[in-house]
Amino acid sequence: AQSVTQLDSHVSVSEGTPVLLRCNYSSSYSPSLFWYVQHPNKGLQLLLKYTSAATLVKGINGFEAEFKKSETSFHLTKPSAHMSDAAEYFCVVSGSTGGFKTIFGAGTRLFVKA
Amino acid sequence: NAGVMQNPRHLVRRRGQEARLRCSPMKGHSHVYWYRQLPEEGLKFMVYLQKENIIDESGMPKERFSAEFPKEGPSILRIQQVVRGDSAAYFCASSPLSGTDTFNSPLHFGNGTRLTVT
Repeated sequence: AQSVTQLDSHVSVSEGTPVLLRCNYSSSYSPSLFWYVQHPNKGLQLLLKYTSAATLVKGINGFEAEFKKSETSFHLTKPSAHMSDAAEYFCVVSGSTGGFKTIFGAGTRLFVKA
Repeated sequence: NAGVMQNPRHLVRRRGQEARLRCSPMKGHSHVYWYRQLPEEGLKFMVYLQKENIIDESGMPKERFSAEFPKEGPSILRIQQVVRGDSAAYFCASSPLSGTDTFNSPLHFGNGTRLTVT
């Protein structure tokens, strides 16, 4: 069975400061992991994905995430927040021996203060 | 290259009416997924379809909900006799790959249909 937990429902940072959005997953095999961003009234856009290659994954808009198997984590980071980063972020785990379901975390809403 | 197109963007139905949500996948994509998003919650998987086949509908309520992806035309998510609890955003996603490749392929999402049941 798979699951994904986003540890913070809301994160607030000031513009120009680092962003850390935390995600832990549970999987009995090597998963594929993704981060998506959702701006208000929009669909989800892929930020980055991990598929058992390099453990540090770089995505769009300056975001990156590090896969840590020992900690079962896939935290999303960005060195310097921009106002346009304010959105909802979803950590996603995929991959199953018996199906095609993609499991979404509950989401973390990022607020960026000027 | 158009992305995933969903219509309508907003749909208002009275209790007991039917709601039909449409999704046209990206060009070249033959795999369609439907998700439901309730306020302050993540996306919940409903159904995965390929052309003319339902592959996995384990996330879809057994009653009142149905989905299809015909050989020609968009995928349709149909909700009969809607109730207030059906109010949510419904997202469609598509991917080009099949089988185990699907696990590694990111999904391409539409902008959703926001259903309001009054």
